[in-house]
Amino acid sequence: QITLKESGPTLVKPTQTLTLTCTFSGFSLDSPRMGVGWIRQPPGKAPEWLGIIYWDNDKFYKPSLKNRLTLTKDTSKNQVVLTLTNVDPVDTATYFCAHQLDGYPYFDSWGQGTLVIVSS
Amino acid sequence: EIVLTQSPAILSLSPGERATLSCMATDLDDNSVAWYQHKPGQPPRLLMYEASTRATGIPARFTGSGSGTNFSLTISSLEPEDFAIYYCQQRTKWAFGGGTKIEIK
Repeated sequence: QITLKESGPTLVKPTQTLTLTCTFSGFSLDSPRMGVGWIRQPPGKAPEWLGIIYWDNDKFYKPSLKNRLTLTKDTSKNQVVLTLTNVDPVDTATYFCAHQLDGYPYFDSWGQGTLVIVSS
Repeated sequence: EIVLTQSPAILSLSPGERATLSCMATDLDDNSVAWYQHKPGQPPRLLMYEASTRATGIPARFTGSGSGTNFSLTISSLEPEDFAIYYCQQRTKWAFGGGTKIEIK
């Protein structure tokens, strides 16, 4: 059974750096074709895909966030870390990490999500 | 930028009725979509991928179809647990649509 859980701060001040950790079980990010993505959902809005990191350390980012977003993985800890620099109130959202369906660019298992509020 | 347009925004139906949701994409490049169901306080749930393949454990009343730029999700007979928001997600750029809310009439 695949499980994922996001952790990190609930409140971040504008211009600060947001760091979120996704801790997962039930699969290894060392295995071929495995990928973990991040998706956020601002209150009352649709989900927004942010980026994805693969087993071979290949990464893809949403173009508009490419200068601020970094994904890294620690396979020994079964963790993926999201770092978003210079946050703004528009970054307020529930942040989800999710497991990519094997062989397809879709997400078949999601964490419960963590709410991040950007406010001074 | 990939844009996925979902319609209608809101669908008011009664249990037992048929629901048809639409997702239109602006990019023809190797297009397909997934569909997710989202309920308050829960993460999205994958229903369908590659337009018409049901994800594990998804009931047969959910059917996906379409190709190119036009895709649809049909729920043949709404059950009480189907009232939720549905999102499509595009294959090549991971973009999500704006959602269709199925509400109880």
